[in-house]
Amino acid sequence: EAQVTQNPRYLITVTGKKLTVTCSQNMNHEYMSWYRQDPGLGLRQIYYSMNVEVTDKGDVPEGYKVSRKEKRNFPLILESPSPNQTSLYFCASTTGTMIGRAFFGPGTRLTVL
Amino acid sequence: EDQVTQSPEALRLQEGESSSLNCSYTVSGLRGLFWYRQDPGKGPEFLFTLYSAGEEKEKERLKATLTKKESFLHITAPKPEDSATYLCAVQANNYGQNFVFGPGTRLSVLP
Repeated sequence: EAQVTQNPRYLITVTGKKLTVTCSQNMNHEYMSWYRQDPGLGLRQIYYSMNVEVTDKGDVPEGYKVSRKEKRNFPLILESPSPNQTSLYFCASTTGTMIGRAFFGPGTRLTVL
Repeated sequence: EDQVTQSPEALRLQEGESSSLNCSYTVSGLRGLFWYRQDPGKGPEFLFTLYSAGEEKEKERLKATLTKKESFLHITAPKPEDSATYLCAVQANNYGQNFVFGPGTRLSVLP
């Protein structure tokens, strides 16, 4: 089954404690991205990657890091989380030839105390 | 600044009562406009891609249309299972692979 998986699905942490949210896709997609979703603000792109070792900033990259060492994985790293990073996070993937037809993961709800 | 807005913010319909959702955009050259459906607690699910003004796409009770400034998602004779948040997104020619999403319209269809 074609899918994007994220882990963990729920996470409560404290300010400053480094964390990683994993994302994996089994569709051999070149393009992967991370979004955060906040009430009233909609989905905002954090980072995206057009292929292995190729990443670029989206609209709200501050406080986040990503890496793309393998085609299937695209982890999101928060080196020093802060309360304003409390949000619902989604990973998505798509092929370069079907721009916009993205497959989204189930989401990770992060709370930073 | 490139922008996507959606209206109304929320919409309540009776089952069978047709209506339309609006997505207005301002971008520097449209590469594509996309509609997604999002159910509570889940990731968005792709519905349609529109590339040029005048284009239309249909799927079951949904029909998406595109003009040079906006897109409409028409819902004909909706059912309660159509209740969801509908998201519009655009990709501009100068964005590379970046997408900009609108805030969404929350649709409730009452039986």
